[in-house]
Amino acid sequence: KAGVTQTPRYLIKTRGQQVTLSCSPISGHRSVSWYQQTPGQGLQFLFEYFSETQRNKGNFPGRFSGRQFSNSRSEMNVSTLELGDSALYLCASIETRRGITEAFFGQGTRLTVV
Amino acid sequence: SQKIEQNSEALNIQEGKTATLTCNYTNYSPAYLQWYRQDPGRGPVFLLLIRENEKEKRKERLKVTFDTTLKQSLFHITASQPADSATYLCALDRYNQGGKLIFGQGTELSVKP
Repeated sequence: KAGVTQTPRYLIKTRGQQVTLSCSPISGHRSVSWYQQTPGQGLQFLFEYFSETQRNKGNFPGRFSGRQFSNSRSEMNVSTLELGDSALYLCASIETRRGITEAFFGQGTRLTVV
Repeated sequence: SQKIEQNSEALNIQEGKTATLTCNYTNYSPAYLQWYRQDPGRGPVFLLLIRENEKEKRKERLKVTFDTTLKQSLFHITASQPADSATYLCALDRYNQGGKLIFGQGTELSVKP
């Protein structure tokens, strides 16, 4: 089956702008999680969407938001970009079996804020 | 909240040797622990999972141990090869937490020929 698709792969934005990233999960998966990865902080959980509803949320400011559509595709949005938002944003297509989370990651979107 | 620590320094070993990576956690005992491999510019790829009631798990040249008393997992790659060079991440959580995994910072492994 097809893997997780994230678009775009690379993005350069200016401080103060906003950005929208897209993720298409594995067919049949209803849950999508988003993570931010930076050299200093590692992989940090942003939020999770399941059946179009936010199910979990990490400790990020309200500038970070997301949504999920009826076809399970998800978008995340960052408004009023700051230099510190430069990171690799990873989307994971989630399957839960007997209480255990299995995460299948996309290639990520490399966001650079200048 | 849960905190995970992995080998902070990069690990450099010679081809053919065994690489051993460490994952220590504080706070609650996780229900399970996973190891992922990440290559530069790519997303993590799942390697192995070990449950709280398991001491050891093997898959080909990979072996994971889980010691809930020490609050530690060890990840071994035997007969290492240059192609094993990558960053290895551990992740853990309790059951039924949905898509929220807690990750360590990762350990960069470099295998020299």
